[in-house]
Amino acid sequence: GIQVEQSPPDLILQEGANSTLRCNFSDSVNNLQWFHQNPWGQLINLFYIPSGTKQNGRLSATTVATERYSLLYISSSQTTDSGVYFCAVEGMDSSYKLIFGSGTRLLVRP
Amino acid sequence: DTEVTQTPKHLVMGMTNKKSLKCEQHMGHRAMYWYKQKAKKPPELMFVYSYEKLSINESVPSRFSPECPNSSLLNLHLHALQPEDSALYLCASSQGSGTGNEKLFFGSGTQLSVL
Repeated sequence: GIQVEQSPPDLILQEGANSTLRCNFSDSVNNLQWFHQNPWGQLINLFYIPSGTKQNGRLSATTVATERYSLLYISSSQTTDSGVYFCAVEGMDSSYKLIFGSGTRLLVRP
Repeated sequence: DTEVTQTPKHLVMGMTNKKSLKCEQHMGHRAMYWYKQKAKKPPELMFVYSYEKLSINESVPSRFSPECPNSSLLNLHLHALQPEDSALYLCASSQGSGTGNEKLFFGSGTQLSVL
């Protein structure tokens, strides 16, 4: 099946810093989403981005499908950005099977 | 309303108990999902229902029994679980176009402990 790798696995930032999280995937996809899981376990959908670039406030994401990677940018980080960021993909022949990467654990210090 | 509601939030059960997890959405979505998440691991897909029919079962043991009574509700019936089944159980929904490739919305999960 499709493999999803995220980097870095852990990241510590000072409040106000910027960061880039990366997601590599092993095969063509027709669905890619970024999620933030807060310390209480809630998974929030940040972006649905199988290709192209999107922005939402301090967050933006870019997916280059032909090169099989996606990037999530966090600017001016805040303590509330702490948690785990997951990339999830669905292969071309795998309808409804969204597979998660292992995540990037982010801690933003005040 | 963009919410997926799961109950209960926490559940402790013995290995001989029978319990059910419930999930509800009112977004008109026609695809609903169960995921299992162990501590410090990513969510793993268990089941997918599309238009109230089971379309994906990821080789889940029969002690987990899903049910989709209608397009808004999804249950997960639990029986004779093992301690290693302790995890966060997440429900999700998506529009359900029939071809996948959709944005998922997750509930806040049920934290299950099996003693």
